[in-house]
Amino acid sequence: GQQLNQSPQSMFIQEGEDVSMNCTSSSIFNTWLWYKQDPGEGPVLLIALYKAGELTSNGRLTAQFGITRKDSFLNISASIPSDVGIYFCAGHLPGYGKLTFGQGTILTVHP
Amino acid sequence: NAGVTQTPKFQVLKTGQSMTLQCAQDMNHEYMSWYRQDPGMGLRLIHYSVGAGITDQGEVPNGYNVSRSTTEDFPLRLLSAAPSQTSVYFCASSWGLGGETQYFGPGTRLLVL
Repeated sequence: GQQLNQSPQSMFIQEGEDVSMNCTSSSIFNTWLWYKQDPGEGPVLLIALYKAGELTSNGRLTAQFGITRKDSFLNISASIPSDVGIYFCAGHLPGYGKLTFGQGTILTVHP
Repeated sequence: NAGVTQTPKFQVLKTGQSMTLQCAQDMNHEYMSWYRQDPGMGLRLIHYSVGAGITDQGEVPNGYNVSRSTTEDFPLRLLSAAPSQTSVYFCASSWGLGGETQYFGPGTRLLVL
């Protein structure tokens, strides 16, 4: 089946640092979504991207839909302790009624 | 709105036992799905439904059954639990199939001994 490669698998950073993570695929997606999962909770949508080249911000978060439609990036600026969690990318393929998820990036922020 | 609800939150089963994980949504979403989450594997799709009476298999359907008799409910049945089914299970729903936002429930943590 389709696969998304998400990197890095984990990050340990100091409060105040910026964070970057990305997802790549061998398939073309028509939608990219970024979710965050807090410990013991279900994933919650952060940003949705619907067009190649689209750059969208949500507070300190910025995400981009790659021009090739095969990748996406999420940046978090000036990290804070509550940014801790697992971040997932997800892609939607044209013609398919389901999302494919990346393996997740575990983010740890040290105060 | 309660959103997506799941019961139970935790469950311990013995190998061979059967059980049903409940999922309900009050947003009138047509599309519902079940995922399992395992360390390092992300979220893997088990089964999904595009509307009442219609279900289809996802990436890892073996050992699980689903049905969709109403728009609101989408239960997941484990027919004969195995240790490999120890996982965290999430139910999700969305308006449609075009990559719309999926809303996730809080999850059910299952341990099979």
